[in-house]
Amino acid sequence: EVQLVESGEGLVQPGGSLRLSCAASGFTFSSYAMHWVRQAPGKGLEYVSAISSNGGSTYYADSVKGRFTISRDNSKNTLYLQMGSLRAEDMAVYYCARGNWNRPYYFDYWGQGTLVTVSS
Amino acid sequence: QSVLTQPPSVSGAPGQRVTISCTGSSSNIGAGYDVHWYQQLPGTAPKLLIYGNSNRPSGVPDRFSGSKSGTSASLAITGLQAEDEADYYCQSYDSSLSDNVVFGGGTKLTVL
Repeated sequence: EVQLVESGEGLVQPGGSLRLSCAASGFTFSSYAMHWVRQAPGKGLEYVSAISSNGGSTYYADSVKGRFTISRDNSKNTLYLQMGSLRAEDMAVYYCARGNWNRPYYFDYWGQGTLVTVSS
Repeated sequence: QSVLTQPPSVSGAPGQRVTISCTGSSSNIGAGYDVHWYQQLPGTAPKLLIYGNSNRPSGVPDRFSGSKSGTSASLAITGLQAEDEADYYCQSYDSSLSDNVVFGGGTKLTVL
């Protein structure tokens, strides 16, 4: 059974940093691109970042480019999102999701999500 | 303002058929890019419901179906059940934007 479990939930002040993790199991992690999608409270889904299966290629939405870094450790079956210079608008539930690196871009398994709160 | 436009809400009685539209443009759905649909039950993570316009992942009931025509796509739910009450999101790819992966704004389905 495919499982994605996020961790790293927290409250951080504006301008602060936080690292999210996503532990994967039930599939060959190193064969899949992985993605982060976020959902602000009461809002819709927003695509954030992606990393190829070997970690050699990454993608960032304009809204987080230069502030967030996606990475993965295939030996630990874990995906990461290092978030810096956090802003109020980054407050959201962050989901990791399994998907493709090339089209069609869809996400067949999602984690339960982890909440990032940005507030002073 | 989402690139893909969905109605904010739809409703139907148990047993009825409802459809949720997802309207795009010539740079996304109209350009031939696939549309995918997700169901988000209250308080849970999204779940893939339809991929590649009309394909159901294993385990998704055949009451759910997807279609695409021109610059729009639709999700149809037949034999509506109380447990279908959820938010539904369409998603596609847009070649004109730097942020290529795009979601609709979501539709809240209420089962009356």
